Amino acid sequence: GAGVSQSPSNKVTEKGKDVELRCDPISGHTALYWYRQRLGQGLEFLIYFQGNSAPDKSGLPSDRFSAERTGESVSTLTIQRTQQEDSAVYLCASSPRTLGGTGELFFGEGSRLTVL
Amino acid sequence: AQKVTQAQTEISVVEKEDVTLDCVYETRDTTYYLFWYKQPPSGELVFLIRRNSFDEQNEISGRYSWNFQKSTSSFNFTITASQVVDSAVYFCALSEEPGSARQLTFGSGTQLTVLP
Repeated sequence: GAGVSQSPSNKVTEKGKDVELRCDPISGHTALYWYRQRLGQGLEFLIYFQGNSAPDKSGLPSDRFSAERTGESVSTLTIQRTQQEDSAVYLCASSPRTLGGTGELFFGEGSRLTVL
Repeated sequence: AQKVTQAQTEISVVEKEDVTLDCVYETRDTTYYLFWYKQPPSGELVFLIRRNSFDEQNEISGRYSWNFQKSTSSFNFTITASQVVDSAVYFCALSEEPGSARQLTFGSGTQLTVLP
């Protein structure tokens, strides 16, 4: 498809297990973002990738969270030793990062994580 | 630090009524960008508008209009003649980085329900 694709759409895991969430951005988009959305709340910034620059990890809540992106393609968000407070929808977005552009982010439908 | 407040958690209106969603922001920067996003039940956020801090002209797009008031740090969103398909969560967001949407700060969202 032409949009941002995320998988899995739903993930239920037991406390203490590791999970990996995947994001496939729109082709040609150099910027990629991960956000977390807890139930009934706004979006929390987690991490930002821009081309081959060092990622901005300032939003990652703990060292259990990490993310990788190879070039301008797929990104994976990994949560180690999951805790119940990690339950949320994890949203990925991409952007063409064009200076002077609208700044519009294109979002995927999210990966809903439930930690039992 | 930047902050976005959407005081209205939930709003219900009857179809064809007009409705205004409030957004108040805080920032120390003189240059910033304001956004509105719509999140329908599918979960995928959809970009609606970006407004630069140096452009205080109000904007109208079909049934949607936006009122930007720097004096009160507000960026309110009005839907005229609401329709059932407008039912969604609406997020206001702020970015301090020119030309992109890096590290958007989102409000907590307003759940709009339009009843037939």
